[in-house]
Amino acid sequence: SSELTQDPAVSVALGQTVRITCQGDSLRSYYASWYLQKPGQAPVLVLYPKNTRPSGIPDRFSGSSSGDTASLTISGAQAEDEGDYYCNSRDSSGNHVLFGGGTKLTVL
Amino acid sequence: QVQLQESGAGLVKPSQTLSLTCTVSGGSISGGDYYWAWIRQPPGKGLESIGYIYYRGSTYYNPSLKSRVTISLHTSKNQFSLKLTSVSAADTAVYYCARDNRGTYRNDVFDVWGRGTMVTVSS
Repeated sequence: SSELTQDPAVSVALGQTVRITCQGDSLRSYYASWYLQKPGQAPVLVLYPKNTRPSGIPDRFSGSSSGDTASLTISGAQAEDEGDYYCNSRDSSGNHVLFGGGTKLTVL
Repeated sequence: QVQLQESGAGLVKPSQTLSLTCTVSGGSISGGDYYWAWIRQPPGKGLESIGYIYYRGSTYYNPSLKSRVTISLHTSKNQFSLKLTSVSAADTAVYYCARDNRGTYRNDVFDVWGRGTMVTVSS
């Protein structure tokens, strides 16, 4: 497979939990890393593959994977979590770098 | 703390060559097991991998761009560069350089990014 599919937009009420998903056949073999991009800024890594967090990323961010789907969960979403979230992994051959199309998260 | 900074022409004419440089500060470009990547983002769209170069010199290019892309390492200047030939309006984008710190992971981990530089292809 040569695609990673994300929902274009998701919204969540302040303080509630939201899950952002990334789907692709290659995710049965490869983990995903996750990035948050705020308007006018470069993306920032928020989850490593195997779902660990870089230093400085709040523990409300967590990851999981099942079958062909990787998920990023924010438990208790904050206003500063708004932005575009991108998943990144490889294609099924492992030879090519893929990004998902991005999910715009709105915190209401 | 490693920082990256893109530089280069912001306006390129169609059919010409886009040239960008990424300057690495706060660490040596050849001082660790890293890959050095270029990623772009057309206005209002998502991220696209262009390619990367390993600190030992091997390269990977996105198949859709492979015939037009060259990524090079300039260790004496602590820089790496991107050349994209025969550009068209479709190449208009913000271009980011990034460090790929994948370590033992089987896929990429872009843990440090430059701020990005906008390149417009127009006559």
